Amino acid sequence: KNQVEQSPQSLIILEGKNCTLQCNYTVSPFSNLRWYKQDTGRGPVSLTIMTFSENTKSNGRYTATLDADTKQSSLHITASQLSDSASYICVVSAYNNNDMRFGAGTRLTVKP
Amino acid sequence: NAGVTQTPKFQVLKTGQSMTLQCAQDMNHEYMSWYRQDPGMGLRLIHYSVGAGITDQGEVPNGYNVSRSTTEDFPLRLLSAAPSQTSVYFCASRYRGAPLHFGNGTRLTVT
Repeated sequence: KNQVEQSPQSLIILEGKNCTLQCNYTVSPFSNLRWYKQDTGRGPVSLTIMTFSENTKSNGRYTATLDADTKQSSLHITASQLSDSASYICVVSAYNNNDMRFGAGTRLTVKP
Repeated sequence: NAGVTQTPKFQVLKTGQSMTLQCAQDMNHEYMSWYRQDPGMGLRLIHYSVGAGITDQGEVPNGYNVSRSTTEDFPLRLLSAAPSQTSVYFCASRYRGAPLHFGNGTRLTVT
């Protein structure tokens, strides 16, 4: 069964610190992997997309990496801000792109 | 451009009642979908549509119906609500190959 596992489940860091969130998947055949940010009480919003040939992609203070061989992705947040407090969801699409599998998310809390 | 609009934001039902969750998008997206989000679990696909007049089942379709008579609207119907359907429901749409645009959810409680 195609699955997406995220770790840690939750994370608390101090404002200004960096952190890295992990996503492991077994979805096959792989098409792409997206990271979404979900603020409390809101719908998820796309942060970045990684395709098979991409290793690293940045979006401001967010940097996503992908290792298609080991089926792992990470989201690195630099110089965290209070507004980064949210759930971060990894979504992996199979080749037909209508089959998207969602991770359970990592709940990040940034404290002042 | 409102994006994806879901109504209502909150709803409480008694077991056995029926209701319709509304979803509308103004981006002319062909693909629309419904998900439920439960604590500790990823979003799970209930039903989806790749265009007006076309719908298909997702991972957890039992107890839910959908229809797609227009490109803009994709309502989700609960036929006979059960406590197991207590959840937060998200509607999403997208253009082919593009990221999903989500609504802000409907929080449903079935007592």
